Amino acid sequence: QPQLQESGPGLVEPSETLSLTCTVSGGSITNSNYYWGWIRQPPGKELEWIGTIYYSGNTYYNPSLKSRVTISIDTSKKQFSLKLNSVTAADTAVYYCARHKLTVAGPGGLDYWGQGALVIVSS
Amino acid sequence: EIVLTQSPGTLSLSPGERATLSCRASQSISSNYLAWYQQKPGQAPRLLIYGASTRATGIPDRFSGSGSGTDFTLTISRLEPEDFVVYYCQRYGSSPLTFGQGTRLDIK
Repeated sequence: QPQLQESGPGLVEPSETLSLTCTVSGGSITNSNYYWGWIRQPPGKELEWIGTIYYSGNTYYNPSLKSRVTISIDTSKKQFSLKLNSVTAADTAVYYCARHKLTVAGPGGLDYWGQGALVIVSS
Repeated sequence: EIVLTQSPGTLSLSPGERATLSCRASQSISSNYLAWYQQKPGQAPRLLIYGASTRATGIPDRFSGSGSGTDFTLTISRLEPEDFVVYYCQRYGSSPLTFGQGTRLDIK
């Protein structure tokens, strides 16, 4: 069973860039049957999909965040990363990395998740 | 963007009862690309159902999913105490992937 672990700063100042990394263990990040995604959840609120990457580097972004988001992958380190720039208090959330099943149309259901990383945007 | 609306927002039932949770999409969801998740407090969501009706690995058979097009249902046949948490539906496949706002299951 794969395990995913988020890492990165828990506090980011407004207007700065939020950076998180997800390390995958117990499975291959280059397995062509899966995608790798980021999802966030503001305190007490619902889940929001941020974006997803395939091992080849193909990316899919939520249009509402696309102008501020970059997701990248380092297969040699078994890691994929999230950068969200120009953050505000509205970006305060628990950020999850997760694995998508593959579908013919693109990223599928999310079958394995990291434990989540709380990121607070505040000065 | 396909908007998912879950109902009810909160459902109050007793252990042993049957729960029926609804997820309605603003447009038809192709290929039944609809998943259900369970989220316990302080934990990451857990995949219960994908493809509208296929149980994920290790999910008890008291959880079942049904529906197609714009109307989908998660049914929990006999509620256990650990089932009283929050449930989300999600549409996947093409971008953007979207989640419903969640249904909270409370003990009556």
